[in-house]
Amino acid sequence: KQEVTQIPAALSVPEGENLVLNCSFTDSAIYNLQWFRQDPGKGLTSLLLIQSSQREQTSGRLNASLDKSSGRSTLYIAASQPGDSATYLCAVRLSGGYQKVTFGTGTKLQVIP
Amino acid sequence: EAGVTQFPSHSVIEKGQTVTLRCDPISGHDNLYWYRRVMGKEIKFLLHFVKESKQDESGMPNNRFLAERTGGTYSTLKVQPAELEDSGVYFCASSGGLLYEQYFGPGTRLTVT
Repeated sequence: KQEVTQIPAALSVPEGENLVLNCSFTDSAIYNLQWFRQDPGKGLTSLLLIQSSQREQTSGRLNASLDKSSGRSTLYIAASQPGDSATYLCAVRLSGGYQKVTFGTGTKLQVIP
Repeated sequence: EAGVTQFPSHSVIEKGQTVTLRCDPISGHDNLYWYRRVMGKEIKFLLHFVKESKQDESGMPNNRFLAERTGGTYSTLKVQPAELEDSGVYFCASSGGLLYEQYFGPGTRLTVT
């Protein structure tokens, strides 16, 4: 059974700081990994999708890396802004079979102006 | 392009009543997923449709939950009869193509009293 852990559960940083969010998974037979952000009372917004064959993906100030062998992914946010405040979730899709998706518990980020 | 839509946004019902949630995926997306988040817990997979067929319903908690996807377009999730522990936010997502990048709706917040 795939288990996905996100550390830390909450993070508070001053504006402008670079930060790293972590996602760990137990089953390395993954198809892809997707990072989302969720704003209070809203749905999930897709940030980055990394295929199992890829090492990293970049979008603007965001960079996500994937190390399947160690069961880890990181989301790097450069020059954080107050608008980045949200809960960040990683979701891991297994390969083969029904490709079930397992979510982590999320990291709640607060960027202080 | 319209995103994933869900209706209603909120529903408050009494224990024992029936509720039907609706999801309209992004046009052309064959894959449709239902997820649930109960208070303080991670988002949990419920089931996955490919067109009108149930690909994986292993996450459905019990037989009080019934999901349908008519003609491979919109989907409904019926809870009958509702219990207190069914309270939570129900998310729908859709994906198309081989990347399986999921796009989420805003969710339906269900409260059973």
